[in-house]
Amino acid sequence: EGQLVESGGDLVKPGGSLRLSCAASGFHFTNAYMNWVRQAPGKGLEWVGRIKSRPGGGTTDYAAPVKGRFTISRDDSKNMLYLQVNGLEAEDTAMYYCAWERPEGSFELWGQGTMVTVSS
Amino acid sequence: EIVLTQSPGTLSLSPGERATLSCRASQSVRSSYLAWYQQKPGQAPRLLIYGASSRATGIPDRFSGSGSGTDFTLTITRLEPEDFAVYYCQQYGGSFTFGPGTKVDIK
Repeated sequence: EGQLVESGGDLVKPGGSLRLSCAASGFHFTNAYMNWVRQAPGKGLEWVGRIKSRPGGGTTDYAAPVKGRFTISRDDSKNMLYLQVNGLEAEDTAMYYCAWERPEGSFELWGQGTMVTVSS
Repeated sequence: EIVLTQSPGTLSLSPGERATLSCRASQSVRSSYLAWYQQKPGQAPRLLIYGASSRATGIPDRFSGSGSGTDFTLTITRLEPEDFAVYYCQQYGGSFTFGPGTKVDIK
């Protein structure tokens, strides 16, 4: 059975940076399209970005609010997904989830999330 | 970007009742690319329905999805105590968007 475990969340000051990690197991990570989704406290879900599998082109896409500040990468040799977050703003405060994308664009498997808090 | 609107915002029902949740899109969504999720407090979302009407693995058959174009529905035929949660619809039409959610709470 598949599992995703996020880590790396922390309290950071505005303008700061973090690297979030997501460890995958129990499914063929190399062929998986992987996403990051976030949820501000008490709010709804917001898609952050996606990285396609290397066989699928390995390209990335981002939501407008994070484009240019966030970078998604992957290490297939380690079954790891990453989210580099730079230039953090208070509005980036959220639980960050990694999610495995099904072929038709739904998110089949989610991690438990890692919390990022941006505050001075 | 396709915007999803969900109604009602809150649905107050009793166990055993039927729940009907609506998701409306600002433009047509390919049915293959409409999903529903359940989220309970302190937990990650769980995929319920993909492709507008296909149940995900392990999802009870009291959950069903229907609809096409711009109007989609999630139906829970008989609410169980564990079904009281927030439900989100989501679409993929080149980019991903979620609806704001419908909270199903106990009347």
